[in-house]
Order: sequence, then C-alpha cells, then structure tokens
Amino acid sequence: DIQMTQSPSSLSASVGDRVTITCRTSQSISNYLNWYQHKPGEAPKLLIFDASSLQSGVPSRFSGSGSGTDFTLTISSLQPEDFATYYCQQSYSPLWTFGQGTKVEIK
Amino acid sequence: EMQLVESGGGLVQPGGSLRLSCVASEFTFSNYWMHWVRQAPGKGLIWVSRIKSDGSNTDYADSVKGRFTVARDNAKNTLYLQMNSLRADDSAVYYCVRVGGRTHAFDIWGQGTTVTVSS
Repeated sequence: DIQMTQSPSSLSASVGDRVTITCRTSQSISNYLNWYQHKPGEAPKLLIFDASSLQSGVPSRFSGSGSGTDFTLTISSLQPEDFATYYCQQSYSPLWTFGQGTKVEIK
Repeated sequence: EMQLVESGGGLVQPGGSLRLSCVASEFTFSNYWMHWVRQAPGKGLIWVSRIKSDGSNTDYADSVKGRFTVARDNAKNTLYLQMNSLRADDSAVYYCVRVGGRTHAFDIWGQGTTVTVSS
C-alpha cells in the first residue's frame, strides 16, 4: 500500500494568514493527489484534484502543487469558514489511501 | 441535484453482519466507479472499497478484505456494502462516494450512515 504522511497534524492560525499543508507519499504517484476539506457533521468536500486543479466552485485562495512524492495545499488568506480538517488522498494505486489529516484551528 | 443517500447503518454485535445501501440520483450511476470511505469516532478518513462502473472489478482495504463485499445494481442506481464478521474497530460513519468523470477524485459524497459494533 502507498503510505501518506501529512504535516503538520494540526496548526493554529489567524484569519488572513497564509497556511501551507504538506503531504508526502511512500512512492511516486505522478499527480494523482487530491485534497479534501472536512467539517464536523458534514460530508467531506473536494478542493483540489490531480495535485493542482481547482474543483469547480472552490475559492481561488485554495491552491495545490507538487508531483511525484511531495505535495502542498496552500490557503493564501485564511477565512473564518476555512477552519476544518484537511486530508490528502492518492488515487494512483488500486487501494486508495488518505493522509491522517491536518486540523486547522483558530489562533 | 446529484445526490448519494446511504442507509442501513445501526447497532450490531461483534461477529454480526450488516448491509449498507447507497442510492444515487440525478446522474448516470452506471457510468461511474463508486467507493466506500469510513471515519471512526475521532479518527481520520479511511478508504474501504471500490467497484468499477459495470461491477466487474472490486478492491478492498486490507483491514476489511475477506469480510466486506461491495456490489452494485445499476438498474436500481444502488451501491451496497455487505459487512460480515464485524468487529468493534469497524464502528464508523460510512460514506458512499463517487469518482468524478474528469477527475481521479471523490467529487460527490453521501451524508454517511453510522455503524456501531458493540455488545
């Protein structure tokens, strides 16, 4: 199985801050990397697919980059509605896997 | 609005069985790979299983292989997850998810159904 290592596991930030979350995979996955936002009591929401493509309807402050084994999700200016848990996920192998999540909390 | 609605969750004893269902609406269900994802209380998202659009190919996480079976009925727009030999660590919210046609990602999620395995 492809292992996913997300960091940090949690962070505290203020509204307006630039936030970066990283995801590393145990083997190269080309650009088959997706990012999701998950709020308590809601279904997760797709933000970024294929490492850097913005899902329709997602604000442009969200961006993704990377290829191979190292990937990044960036929120350029954190908004109140962005406080949530973020997951990376690979769709390269038949057995898809998620990172362990990064909880973004209010500072 | 494109939608996935799960049902079938509940309380079951260890070693018991449960079948989850997921009904799709407002999209051509038979065109899409479908997956199950779960989240145990206080834990992260875990991929469980997937099935090809025509039902000809399935895959499972190691933790459920041999105990869970994914199936679909395209005529009924319904996805299933048969769960046998349930254990306490199978307790979770189970989500039915669709893989987008132009993405390799989960673009539509159900609201989830809760499975609790306890005596």
